[in-house]
Amino acid sequence: GAVVSQHPSWVICKSGTSVKIECRSLDFQATTMFWYRQFPKQSLMLMATSNEGSKATYEQGVEKDKFLINHASLTLSTLTVTSAHPEDSSFYICSAAPFNEQYFGPGTRLTVT
Amino acid sequence: GQQVMQIPQYQHVQEGEDFTTYCNSSTTLSNIQWYKQRPGGHPVFLIQLVKSGEVKKQKRLTFQFGEAKKNSSLHITATQTTDVGTYFCAGRTTDSWGKLQFGSGTQVVVTP
Repeated sequence: GAVVSQHPSWVICKSGTSVKIECRSLDFQATTMFWYRQFPKQSLMLMATSNEGSKATYEQGVEKDKFLINHASLTLSTLTVTSAHPEDSSFYICSAAPFNEQYFGPGTRLTVT
Repeated sequence: GQQVMQIPQYQHVQEGEDFTTYCNSSTTLSNIQWYKQRPGGHPVFLIQLVKSGEVKKQKRLTFQFGEAKKNSSLHITATQTTDVGTYFCAGRTTDSWGKLQFGSGTQVVVTP
């Protein structure tokens, strides 16, 4: 199978600060990674598609200046939540699809106080 | 835009019973995938269906893709406590390379 890791697994930050979440493909290369957000008891909502070496593609309604995505290498994509607010508290999950099906990272639980 | 709905939203099952969760898309899908997410965990891929009318089985789980490729179902027989979790279908259209539209999910609770 394919293994995707995320770091950190959970983070608490103060309102107004920025938080960076890393997503790594451990045993394969990923030219494309996906970032999702999941609120409690809800489904996964695709935020953006991260493309290695080029700009990310954001879904409608997702602020690209607030959720900065960088895919600098074939094994690493980062999501930075800038000027975080309590409403940004959520479960952020990345995934990659090396074999068509998507392999998800373990997720990052963000709490903004 | 494309919408994928699942029913029921919540399913309470007695251990040993069978149940079915249904997935409906507003648009025709090129394929559909099913994922299981345990409480506190991340989604784990279960299966992919591609062909119209396709049926696949994994032990006690039976997955079906509708003839029109707009709906799908997951049937679990003889439910066990290990089946607890939320089951998501996720559809892909022909013009959404790599992107999946996740359904609303069915949360399954199993009582012994």
